[in-house]
Amino acid sequence: AQSVTQPDIHITVSEGASLELRCNYSYGATPYLFWYVQSPGQGLQLLLKYFSGDTLVQGIKGFEAEFKRSQSSFNLRKPSVHWSDAAEYFCAVATSNNAGNMLTFGGGTRLMVKP
Amino acid sequence: EPEVTQTPSHQVTQMGQEVILRCVPISNHLYFYWYRQILGQKVEFLVSFYNNEISEKSEIFDDQFSVERPDGSNFTLKIRSTKLEDSAMYFCASKGQRTEAFFGQGTRLTVV
Repeated sequence: AQSVTQPDIHITVSEGASLELRCNYSYGATPYLFWYVQSPGQGLQLLLKYFSGDTLVQGIKGFEAEFKRSQSSFNLRKPSVHWSDAAEYFCAVATSNNAGNMLTFGGGTRLMVKP
Repeated sequence: EPEVTQTPSHQVTQMGQEVILRCVPISNHLYFYWYRQILGQKVEFLVSFYNNEISEKSEIFDDQFSVERPDGSNFTLKIRSTKLEDSAMYFCASKGQRTEAFFGQGTRLTVV
């Protein structure tokens, strides 16, 4: 069965600093990979996804992520963090052979932004 | 922009009572899901629904849970006899044939 690990439970960065959130997955074949963001009291909003092709994917709000098969990773990056980026971030994987594509989520990383 | 709508946003119920959580998926989507997130824990898959039947379910989705798409637009999750440990945020999601899953805002269920 697939699994997702987000090693960092909490991260604090200064506004304007760069950000990288780590995600490692376990799955035998090429997965579908996602990053979702959850602001306090809100639902899950998709930031970006990787299905195939270019391993560097661009998302909304200036985020990008890179799929590295050799490292089983899909880290999320942003060059300059804004205070409004404070939220919880979830990496998720779906298996390519599942027509319904249910998601397996990582434990989440809570991002705090210092002024 | 189309969105998944969940009602109510917060539900408080007594232990042993039945609750129904309601969702209106995006209209042309084919796959429907329920996930839950216990406070402080990860989001967990409960069940997926396609072509008017359950296509996959997790170990969490036991006989106390059921899902229904009663009228072609709503998608409901019923918990027959709630337990304290059912307290969680419940998310509905829907997905098209070639799209990612879109999530609703969630229903916070509190069992007292």
